[in-house]
Amino acid sequence: GQNIDQPTEMTATEGAIVQINCTYQTSGFNGLFWYQQHAGEAPTFLSYNVLDGLEEKGRFSSFLSRSKGYSYLLLKELQMKDSASYLCASMDSNYQLIWGAGTKLIIKP
Amino acid sequence: GAVVSQHPSRVICKSGTSVKIECRSLDFQATTMFWYRQFPKQSLMLMATSNEGSKATYEQGVEKDKFLINHASLTLSTLTVTSAHPEDSSFYICSARDYTGTGPSVQETQYFGPGTRLLVL
Repeated sequence: GQNIDQPTEMTATEGAIVQINCTYQTSGFNGLFWYQQHAGEAPTFLSYNVLDGLEEKGRFSSFLSRSKGYSYLLLKELQMKDSASYLCASMDSNYQLIWGAGTKLIIKP
Repeated sequence: GAVVSQHPSRVICKSGTSVKIECRSLDFQATTMFWYRQFPKQSLMLMATSNEGSKATYEQGVEKDKFLINHASLTLSTLTVTSAHPEDSSFYICSARDYTGTGPSVQETQYFGPGTRLLVL
């Protein structure tokens, strides 16, 4: 079957670092996406990994291990505006996205 | 990143009426667009895949006669909610598939429109 798991909610402090994990089981895996979604808004694209390793984009980095079916999104120097839901999605053999339920990240001052 | 627009952003309608939502890719051509529905505090639910020039592919449990999809051009897909009822009230979001890079470095990404909040009274 196809499945995506990520924590429901996480809390972190402004200025700190947080890692949001995602595990997946996807037939015909074609890559792993991370999206950010603020309440009441549509998701915005953050990152895409298809090869093993770490991709860094400013304060955000994404990691993938295909053999372990595992990815994480790393957010550094957290800002209050980073409070949002972070959606993990894997792409299957039909190039469809399989979505996780999202991780609500709460940033505290 | 690529830009996708969606119109209208909000719509309130009476039960039994039809509502059309437009999704446009503004700076790229999209042969494939996707329509999602999202209820409060829930993840995105794929409703259908819209392919330019052909019939849409609907996910299981989504009524194709109720949610009409037309992808008439490479930059426009429309979703029409026919005979809307209060239970159709939701956040409808479209996305468009874009490709960047060439050869083995081609990357596929979905870019989302801002969403349409539908309230059926």
